[in-house]
Amino acid sequence: AQRVTQPEKLLSVFKGAPVELKCNYSYSGSPELFWYVQYSRQRLQLLLRHISRESIKGFTADLNKGETSFHLKKPFAQEEDSAMYYCALSGQGAQKLVFGQGTRLTINP
Amino acid sequence: NAGVTQTPKFQVLKTGQSMTLQCAQDMNHEYMSWYRQDPGMGLRLIHYSVGAGITDQGEVPNGYNVSRSTTEDFPLRLLSAAPSQTSVYFCASSYRVTGHAFFGQGTRLTVV
Repeated sequence: AQRVTQPEKLLSVFKGAPVELKCNYSYSGSPELFWYVQYSRQRLQLLLRHISRESIKGFTADLNKGETSFHLKKPFAQEEDSAMYYCALSGQGAQKLVFGQGTRLTINP
Repeated sequence: NAGVTQTPKFQVLKTGQSMTLQCAQDMNHEYMSWYRQDPGMGLRLIHYSVGAGITDQGEVPNGYNVSRSTTEDFPLRLLSAAPSQTSVYFCASSYRVTGHAFFGQGTRLTVV
């Protein structure tokens, strides 16, 4: 079974502080992990995917198969990072894209 | 470039009414899916389709039907609306299940 857990429903940090949004997954096959973001009044959109190993808007995420985690990190938060963030899981042989519960990130000035 | 289009954006239904949420994509994507978004519950998969003529159930399929007669369209039918179906519904499509998913703007449904 595919399962994604985001343990923090709400996360609040000050501008300029580091941010880490946690994501843990459960999947028996080879996973493919994604982070999606939903800014206020905008569509849900892809932020990054582990297979690309890229940094988008200063965010990075590393797949840790040993800890089954895919935490999202940014060294210096900006106010425009305030949004809802979803971790998502698919994988080799999977027919579903499954999302976590989401974390609402608020960056305080 | 339209991407994924959902209609309507807002809908109020009475308990017991039926309706269809429309979803269309113009990217020739094989994979399409429906999610509902509820506070504290995240995005939960209702139904999905890996291609025309093929559909399957997700995590919360009860009370919903889907069909996929064309690659472009993936309508979601509420058979007999219940207050528990009050939610925001999102349609998504991608070239394959492990690909970049594109989302519609959502349909906010209220069942009274």
